[in-house]
Amino acid sequence: EAQVTQNPRYLITVTGKKLTVTCSQNMNHEYMSWYRQDPGLGLRQIYYSMNVEVTDKGDVPEGYKVSRKEKRNFPLILESPSPNQTSLYFCASSLKPPGQGASYTQYFGPGTRLTVL
Amino acid sequence: AQSVAQPEDQVNVAEGNPLTVKCTYSVSGNPYLFWYVQYPNRGLQFLLKYITGDNLVKGSYGFEAEFNKSQTSFHLKKPSALVSDSALYFCAVKSGEGSARQLTFGSGTQLTVLP
Repeated sequence: EAQVTQNPRYLITVTGKKLTVTCSQNMNHEYMSWYRQDPGLGLRQIYYSMNVEVTDKGDVPEGYKVSRKEKRNFPLILESPSPNQTSLYFCASSLKPPGQGASYTQYFGPGTRLTVL
Repeated sequence: AQSVAQPEDQVNVAEGNPLTVKCTYSVSGNPYLFWYVQYPNRGLQFLLKYITGDNLVKGSYGFEAEFNKSQTSFHLKKPSALVSDSALYFCAVKSGEGSARQLTFGSGTQLTVLP
């Protein structure tokens, strides 16, 4: 089954304790991205990756890091989480970047709800 | 810069009635437009997109959307709403210019279909 998986689904942590949210896709997609969803703000892109070893900042990258060492994995790293990073996080992937190709479809993971105390 | 606005936080409609969820956008160049739906405790699911061609786009679950260039709008519509359509809907836009690599999402519209 084609899917994007994220782990953990729920996480409560404390300020300053490093954490990693994993994202994996099994569709051989080139493009992957991370979003955060906050009430009234919709989804905002944190980072995206065009392919292995190619990453770039989205609209709200501060406080986050990513890596893309393998095509299937795109972990999101919070080196020193703060309460303003409490949010719902989504990973997404697509064969190509948004809008490229008539068959473009972006697949989303189930989300990770993060609470930073 | 590209942006998208969903002017209604909440839309309520009776089952069987037509529904419209509004979306307006701003981009340089031609827009690529998308609608996604999010059910409770789930990720976003792709509904439909407009890249080029016919202004009326048909998507999943009986939804359609009409691209209106003069009004810079891409409203989501369905002729007859179902209770199961109740969900959070997001409009998204990307500039068609080659350098743009990101989707910009609206703030979302909560659709409630009343039985």
